[in-house]
Amino acid sequence: AQSVTQLGSHVSVSEGALVLLRCNYSSSVPPYLFWYVQYPNQGLQLLLKYTSAATLVKGINGFEAEFKKSETSFHLTKPSAHMSDAAEYFCAVSSSGGYQKVTFGTGTKLQVIP
Amino acid sequence: SAVISQKPSRDICQRGTSLTIQCQVDSQVTMMFWYRQQPGQSLTLIATANQGSEATYESGFVIDKFPISRPNLTFSTLTVSNMSPEDSSIYLCSVETDVDSGANVLTFGAGSRLTVL
Repeated sequence: AQSVTQLGSHVSVSEGALVLLRCNYSSSVPPYLFWYVQYPNQGLQLLLKYTSAATLVKGINGFEAEFKKSETSFHLTKPSAHMSDAAEYFCAVSSSGGYQKVTFGTGTKLQVIP
Repeated sequence: SAVISQKPSRDICQRGTSLTIQCQVDSQVTMMFWYRQQPGQSLTLIATANQGSEATYESGFVIDKFPISRPNLTFSTLTVSNMSPEDSSIYLCSVETDVDSGANVLTFGAGSRLTVL
């Protein structure tokens, strides 16, 4: 069984401030981990993925996430928030071995304050 | 990555009616997935649709309520039958991309927002 928990359904940051969105996972096998972003009235887009290579993963739009096995975490960060980052962010987990079901977290809405 | 078109993008439906959502992909794909996104909840997988076989439904979802067709490698439909207000949700079509990497990456359509009165 696998699951993800996203801490904080809403996060507000000032423009230019650090963005930190938290995700903890549970998986009985080595996981694949993902962050997706959803802008209003759009489908989800992949931001970045971890597939057991480097633990620090860089994605699009300046976002990155670090896989920490000891903490079962995969937090998403960006050094400086931009107004265009306002969206909903979903953490997701699956596992290796052919196609495996992807399980999503409940999402975190990021608000960027000018 | 694949481009997915869904329609309708939104609809308002009456209780007891059925609505069919269409999903068109610009390339051939083996598996297509239907998700439901309810407000304040995570995306929930409804079923996996493979061309030429019956869809595989997740726990809590049944074929009578959510019949799925997959007539070819680029198209699928999801029908929400006998709708009730509890079916008000966003329904998302997705496909696996970057298949060769085995990384289970998904590409999503923009979704179909259903409101049932």
